[in-house]
Amino acid sequence: GAVVSQHPSRVICKSGTSVKIECRSLDFQATTMFWYRQFPKKSLMLMATSNEGSKATYEQGVEKDKFLINHASLTLSTLTVTSAHPEDSSFYICSAIGTGGGSGANVLTFGAGSRLTVL
Amino acid sequence: AQSVTQLGSHVSVSEGALVLLRCNYSSSVPPYLFWYVQYPNQGLQLLLKYTSAATLVKGINGFEAEFKKSETSFHLTKPSAHMSDAAEYFCAVSLVQGAQKLVFGQGTRLTINP
Repeated sequence: GAVVSQHPSRVICKSGTSVKIECRSLDFQATTMFWYRQFPKKSLMLMATSNEGSKATYEQGVEKDKFLINHASLTLSTLTVTSAHPEDSSFYICSAIGTGGGSGANVLTFGAGSRLTVL
Repeated sequence: AQSVTQLGSHVSVSEGALVLLRCNYSSSVPPYLFWYVQYPNQGLQLLLKYTSAATLVKGINGFEAEFKKSETSFHLTKPSAHMSDAAEYFCAVSLVQGAQKLVFGQGTRLTINP
């Protein structure tokens, strides 16, 4: 079946630095990818929707300059947390969906998530 | 706008007992409803989905859910809990059948007692 890989699974960084998280669709072409943020004991909050080759659509209240999303290819989307601060510490999860036939088509597949800790 | 409320952030049942995880939704149009399971350090896995066909939906691992429009509910059940069912469960709603742009409930942690 469809597989989505996130890397790194865990990252610790110093306050003020930037961190990049990758989301890859391993066996299908992901026309659309979604980025979520999950707070402890809370639900997943949709941050943005990215379509390959176009700018991401951010949800209300999400700072697009803080959370840079790039979807440059049909198998890769990246989330960069710029000038990270402790309040950005969270679990970030991506999901991807493809079109057409084959695995990943019309099926939303989630990555395992990336836990960011900002010191 | 859609929203989802899961009653009970933590549910504990004995092995072999009935599992009931509650989910109520709010939507201005007929919704598509989903249940996902999240095991520790893993991504979300789709258990089942309601897409306006049969109101009783059967999913993987013996789970099922019933869509009740009059009660705006989509509760998840399993007749007999297994230790491997211990996980976090999320109910979600979407206006799109393909589960794009999901709105999630806050999640329910299921613990199974031996």
